Amino acid sequence: DIVMTQSPDSLAVSLGERATINCKSSQTVLYSSNNKNYLAWYQQKPGQPPKLLIYWASTRESGVPDRFSGSGSGTDFTLTISSLQAEDVAVYFCQQYYNTPVTFGQGTKLEIK
Amino acid sequence: EVQLVESGGGLVQPGRSLRLSCAASGFTFDDYAMHWVRQTPGKGLEWVSSINWNNGNIGYVDSVKGRFTISRDNAKNSLYLQMNSLRAEDTALYYCARERVTAMVMDSWGQGTLVTVSS
Repeated sequence: DIVMTQSPDSLAVSLGERATINCKSSQTVLYSSNNKNYLAWYQQKPGQPPKLLIYWASTRESGVPDRFSGSGSGTDFTLTISSLQAEDVAVYFCQQYYNTPVTFGQGTKLEIK
Repeated sequence: EVQLVESGGGLVQPGRSLRLSCAASGFTFDDYAMHWVRQTPGKGLEWVSSINWNNGNIGYVDSVKGRFTISRDNAKNSLYLQMNSLRAEDTALYYCARERVTAMVMDSWGQGTLVTVSS
């Protein structure tokens, strides 16, 4: 199974500042035949199910604000929130869907400083 | 509006069975593959099982193979998870989730149903 490791486990950022969350996979999730990274990001607010933010490593889901962006390739990926808003307080998960079982990172808790 | 509503969770003794259901609405159910994903404070999010639109492609995480069975009834817009020989480590919040077309990511989730396995 592909192991997904996020860093840091928790993060406190001031409102309006940039937040960066990292995700590393134990093997590549870049499929060479289509040059796509099989990597997604989810946001989970307290008491709610996860919400899909980004897939193919950098494609925003419909309705997701453009302050959220994803980058990276191969085994190293980043979720960036360009200007943190109060409503962005949540736990963020990465997920690989390169092969089954699909696997998730352990989560990064984002708080306001 | 896409809605997924899970039911069937509860407290069950080790070794017993439970059947989870997920009622789908707001979309054409048989156009989509569906998943069960569970969450615990200790293990985080764990994919459990998935099924394609016509029951032709089914998968399970190793820890539930031979004990859990996923199924769907497209006429009833419903997804199921039959859980047998339950163990304490199966205790979790179980989510039903829809797979996005063209990518094995979950673009809609239910609120979850809690399964507690304890004597």
